[in-house]
Amino acid sequence: AQSVAQPEDQVNVAEGNPLTVKCTYSVSGNPYLFWYVQYPNRGLQFLLKYITGDNLVKGSYGFEAEFNKSQTSFHLKKPSALVSDSALYFCAVRDMTDSWGKLQFGAGTQVVVTP
Amino acid sequence: DGGITQSPKYLFRKEGQNVTLSCEQNLNHDAMYWYRQDPGQGLRLIYYSQIVNDFQKGDIAEGYSVSREKKESFPLTVTSAQKNPTAFYLCASSSLVSNNEQFFGPGTRLTVL
Repeated sequence: AQSVAQPEDQVNVAEGNPLTVKCTYSVSGNPYLFWYVQYPNRGLQFLLKYITGDNLVKGSYGFEAEFNKSQTSFHLKKPSALVSDSALYFCAVRDMTDSWGKLQFGAGTQVVVTP
Repeated sequence: DGGITQSPKYLFRKEGQNVTLSCEQNLNHDAMYWYRQDPGQGLRLIYYSQIVNDFQKGDIAEGYSVSREKKESFPLTVTSAQKNPTAFYLCASSSLVSNNEQFFGPGTRLTVL
């Protein structure tokens, strides 16, 4: 069974400051890891993914995430947050051996960036 | 949201009625998924399908049904057996390449009156 934990319901940050959204995961095999963002009453937009290789993954809108196998974490980061980054962020994991491609999502973290 | 359409955007249903939510994709994806989103619970998988005329139950399939008669279409029916159907429903699709991400539609908000 696979699971994802996003320990913070909400993250508050001032515009221009670094933003970090935490994610830890559990899978029986090797993971594929994903970050998505959701704006109100919209679908999810893909930000980035870790498949293999370099532990630091760069994605859309200046976001990046660092895969840490020993800590089973995949935290999302942005060096300088914008007010427009305020949204709901989801981490998701897929077991590499799952042929059905099912994703397990975390509960989401609301990011609030204040001017 | 590009490539996947969901309709309607908002749907109101009386108790005891079945309703069908539409999901269409033009991405030539083999796999399609339905999720339910409730506040504070993330996304939960209802049904998924990899090929036409075949689909599998997800984690919360009770009270829902699907069909996959065409590769492009994966409609979801919320039946009267679903006890708490008010939620935001999201459809997604992906290719069968194992490391590919899922692409999401804009969602349908269902409210039971």
